[in-house]
Amino acid sequence: GDSVTQMEGPVTLSEEAFLTINCTYTATGYPSLFWYVQYPGEGLQLLLKATKADDKGSNKGFEATYRKETTSFHLEKGSVQVSDSAVYFCALSDPRGGGATNKLIFGTGTLLAVQP
Amino acid sequence: GAVVSQHPSRVICKSGTSVKIECRSLDFQATTMFWYRQFPKQSLMLMATSNEGSKATYEQGVEKDKFLINHASLTLSTLTVTSAHPEDSSFYICSARDRGQGYTFGSGTRLTVV
Repeated sequence: GDSVTQMEGPVTLSEEAFLTINCTYTATGYPSLFWYVQYPGEGLQLLLKATKADDKGSNKGFEATYRKETTSFHLEKGSVQVSDSAVYFCALSDPRGGGATNKLIFGTGTLLAVQP
Repeated sequence: GAVVSQHPSRVICKSGTSVKIECRSLDFQATTMFWYRQFPKQSLMLMATSNEGSKATYEQGVEKDKFLINHASLTLSTLTVTSAHPEDSSFYICSARDRGQGYTFGSGTRLTVV
């Protein structure tokens, strides 16, 4: 079945360092891809998304490009801040569900800790 | 943007009692709601999918008689944990989907059963 694989954390970086969190997926169809962020004790917030191959999602300095040839959707940011410390989830929407009932399939999450 | 309000944010209950968690879509009609459970330091596990006015579809391994889901209107879905036990302690998150609006998540409910 469909699945998402993320790099294991925690990822610890100094402020202003470059961030990459790897994400690869397995899907039988043509999924939409997402990155969600979860701050401590809170729910998930959509960070960015891409709906087709070669699309680039971007938000708050974060970027990810939908690479169909490598089935990847790696998250990058050029200069992280302490406030970026959170858990980041890569996810895909199941293309077989159809319509409004597509469910999200999540990776295991990657904890990012940014130190001042 | 779309907002989903989830309550309560935290609840502590005694073993054997039932707890109801509510999710309301505040500014859109949620035709589909998803309920997730998150264990410490782990990903989100989809428990069930509910469509307004119909029975929920439960994922394999999720006890439908224990986790009762009601989606009686386009703006409200509830999850009731019946006869709760300490192993039901977890973080529960709802997510709503509307045509064209993507997925919007509630802020989660931390359930502790003592």
